[in-house]
Amino acid sequence: AQSVTQLDSHVSVSEGTPVLLRCNYSSSYSPSLFWYVQHPNKGLQLLLKYTSAATLVKGINGFEAEFKKSETSFHLTKPSAHMSDAAEYFCVVSELQGAQKLVFGQGTRLTINP
Amino acid sequence: DAGITQSPRHKVTETGTPVTLRCHQTENHRYMYWYRQDPGHGLRLIHYSYGVKDTDKGEVSDGYSVSRSKTEDFLLTLESATSSQTSVYFCAIRRQKMNTEAFFGQGTRLTVV
Repeated sequence: AQSVTQLDSHVSVSEGTPVLLRCNYSSSYSPSLFWYVQHPNKGLQLLLKYTSAATLVKGINGFEAEFKKSETSFHLTKPSAHMSDAAEYFCVVSELQGAQKLVFGQGTRLTINP
Repeated sequence: DAGITQSPRHKVTETGTPVTLRCHQTENHRYMYWYRQDPGHGLRLIHYSYGVKDTDKGEVSDGYSVSRSKTEDFLLTLESATSSQTSVYFCAIRRQKMNTEAFFGQGTRLTVV
């Protein structure tokens, strides 16, 4: 069975400083991995996805993530945080067969300090 | 926005009553999913569908049933609502093609009193 662990439930950074949200996954085969963002009282929006092409994946709003198979990690980064980045972030792994169910991490709440 | 609509957006209901949530899509996607979101748990899969009349259970299916009589509609029913089912419910859709992302509805906030 696949699983995802987000290593921090809450991350707080100052505006203009780098962001790092950590994610480790478990999968018996090469996975599809996603990061979604949820702003307060909103639905989920795709930030980026990894699907076995380039290991460094660029997403929207300046976010990127690097797939590291040896470390089973898919950490999300951004060079410079903006106030609008304050939100909940979910790392997600997908089955590649059957109904391709998505398995979510517990989420990381990102707070940006002025 | 992907063509996915959830209704109602908010509902308050009493313990023991049945409740039905609706997910409607205009994308003709094969897969549809119901998740619930609770603090500290991320999103957990309740039920999913891989075609008309083809559904299966997810990890938290107790107390819930689903139906999909048309490609575009996926209904989630709480047979007898309990306070533990107070949550935010999200519907998602996904194409059959591998490695594609899922699109999510705006959510339904359900309160059972």
